Amino acid sequence: AQTVTQSQPEMSVQEAETVTLSCTYDTSESDYYLFWYKQPPSRQMILVIRQEAYKQQNATENRFSVNFQKAAKSFSLKISDSQLGDAAMYFCAYKGGTSYGKLTFGQGTILTVHP
Amino acid sequence: EPEVTQTPSHQVTQMGQEVILRCVPISNHLYFYWYRQILGQKVEFLVSFYNNEISEKSEIFDDQFSVERPDGSNFTLKIRSTKLEDSAMYFCASTGMRLSSYNEQFFGPGTRLTVL
Repeated sequence: AQTVTQSQPEMSVQEAETVTLSCTYDTSESDYYLFWYKQPPSRQMILVIRQEAYKQQNATENRFSVNFQKAAKSFSLKISDSQLGDAAMYFCAYKGGTSYGKLTFGQGTILTVHP
Repeated sequence: EPEVTQTPSHQVTQMGQEVILRCVPISNHLYFYWYRQILGQKVEFLVSFYNNEISEKSEIFDDQFSVERPDGSNFTLKIRSTKLEDSAMYFCASTGMRLSSYNEQFFGPGTRLTVL
């Protein structure tokens, strides 16, 4: 079974600074997808960024980027120019290559942004 | 922009009672999911549903749980006899038929279930 591990229960960053959230996963599949979801206090799950395992290029979405190390099974999220609105719980998630498969989530990292 | 909706936003029930949580997936989506999140814990997969059948279910999804798509728009999760440990946030998600490269799942805002 696939597992996703987020080893940082909490992280904090100053506004306008950069922060990196860590995620590792374990799988025997060669085809899969990785995601970072943001969960603000409203508890709505919002997709931040996604990465296809077959792509070597790291995904980027505006201030959000990932460092995908396939051999190390590592998938970290970098938030640049942090904003107060970035404060939330962040979940790393894995989906196998099977179309429409389930998401497996990590334990989450609470990100606090200080003004 | 289309979105997944869920009702009610908060449901309070007595232990042993039946509850039905409702979801309206995005209209052209055909795969549906239920996840739950116990307070302070990670989000856990319960069940996936396609073509009026369960595609996959987790160990959590025991005989107390059932899912149904009673009409062309609603997708429901029923818990027959609620337990205290069923208290959680329940998320519905859906994804489309398009063979996209990532099959993004779109989440609803969740239903907070409190079992007393």
